Amino acid sequence: DTGVSQDPRHKITKRGQNVTFRCDPISEHNRLYWYRQTLGQGPEFLTYFQNEAQLEKSRLLSDRFSAERPKGSFSTLEIQRTEQGDSAMYLCASSSGTADNEQFFGPGTRLTVL
Amino acid sequence: GQSLEQPSEVTAVEGAIVQINCTYQTSGFYGLSWYQQHDGGAPTFLSYNALDGLEETGRFSSFLSRSDSYGYLLLQELQMKDSASYFCAVESYIPTFGRGTSLIVHP
Repeated sequence: DTGVSQDPRHKITKRGQNVTFRCDPISEHNRLYWYRQTLGQGPEFLTYFQNEAQLEKSRLLSDRFSAERPKGSFSTLEIQRTEQGDSAMYLCASSSGTADNEQFFGPGTRLTVL
Repeated sequence: GQSLEQPSEVTAVEGAIVQINCTYQTSGFYGLSWYQQHDGGAPTFLSYNALDGLEETGRFSSFLSRSDSYGYLLLQELQMKDSASYFCAVESYIPTFGRGTSLIVHP
């Protein structure tokens, strides 16, 4: 197992366009998280899946953001009508739900909205 | 809501000991985690405290006091490679990360 992977690693788009990111978690992990991180800040929680069920979604997340995990394995995060303020690193993490709550992070997708 | 406070920057010399404090306010609490992130890298897990007390893992230790809503990360025998950002994170119904502490280790 090679850990959590994310695709693409970089995405440059024009304002108003839609973008979709993919995350492949560690195979036996049932929990999957999406975060957003900007320079000088910690990861900001966006949403969380337990298997295929989306259990939590940040109240800060506008309805332009949507995430899916259709078969409880990989997940996608879509941002519609992108804005310049969406420019950030989008991180995915997975965990097995053990007592130590360790999350394994992927390398992230860096989004630049022009 | 949830909020965490940690110092923005700490500097130290190689071989020294440094403590990074974290105070939090939360409406729900399962435990406190610590993550390390090097520039351009992804966060990596260091430790987790669900109960009061000290957890030791090699050169790193983490402490939690639930009654004081306070924890710290202790790094001993500092090495240059420890220069990174360190985040405390409250594990609750959603995980919430602090803004991070930039640790700079000088030779």
